Amino acid sequence: NAGVTQTPKFQVLKTGQSMTLQCAQDMNHNSMYWYRQDPGMGLRLIYYSASEGTTDKGEVPNGYNVSRLNKREFSLRLESAAPSQTSVYFCASSEAGDQPTDTQYFGPGTRLTVL
Amino acid sequence: AQSVTQLGSHVSVSEGALVLLRCNYSSSVPPYLFWYVQYPNQGLQLLLKYTSAATLVKGINGFEAEFKKSETSFHLTKPSAHMSDAAEYFCAVSARMDSSYKLIFGSGTRLLVRP
Repeated sequence: NAGVTQTPKFQVLKTGQSMTLQCAQDMNHNSMYWYRQDPGMGLRLIYYSASEGTTDKGEVPNGYNVSRLNKREFSLRLESAAPSQTSVYFCASSEAGDQPTDTQYFGPGTRLTVL
Repeated sequence: AQSVTQLGSHVSVSEGALVLLRCNYSSSVPPYLFWYVQYPNQGLQLLLKYTSAATLVKGINGFEAEFKKSETSFHLTKPSAHMSDAAEYFCAVSARMDSSYKLIFGSGTRLLVRP
């Protein structure tokens, strides 16, 4: 049981390049999330998927797109990377997502640098 | 809107000393609160959560937190710090978004443990 896995662990991009961050969970969870972590700002929600087939914007969606490929996988795409997207990206999942007490389980993160 | 504020971006204690990490919340509805820990170069891991069942919540690794409505606080404590407690700690509140819930994180407190 690997929990939440993310690839790649590290990535360096040039401004304007595109890339997709992959996330998968093996806990049969319904809800999945993408966050970014910046120093002194905690984690901020980019996009989430309450259930397979649905996606919605979070607090900071600009410059990103997502795909909920199936129940296990939730990818985050940067179409044209900018230096402001340099950050650590975390994927998370929760069993239901429709209860305020649901625990979110986090992946190990992807450290992205945009030059 | 719901929010959490963590006082002190860095806290330093000696090994064996009391750990106190502060979190205050703002919420117009009864809050559901969480503490997560992030060890270096890892994802976030749940320490404990307040679900209104009991005001004193015990978590993993000897940590506990007390919900105080009168003070709008949910401070995290541990009687005796261990070197392995050195990490970043995040307080979070659950907030409703459409038919699901998201976590709103504080900015984090980095705990340093001195030998």
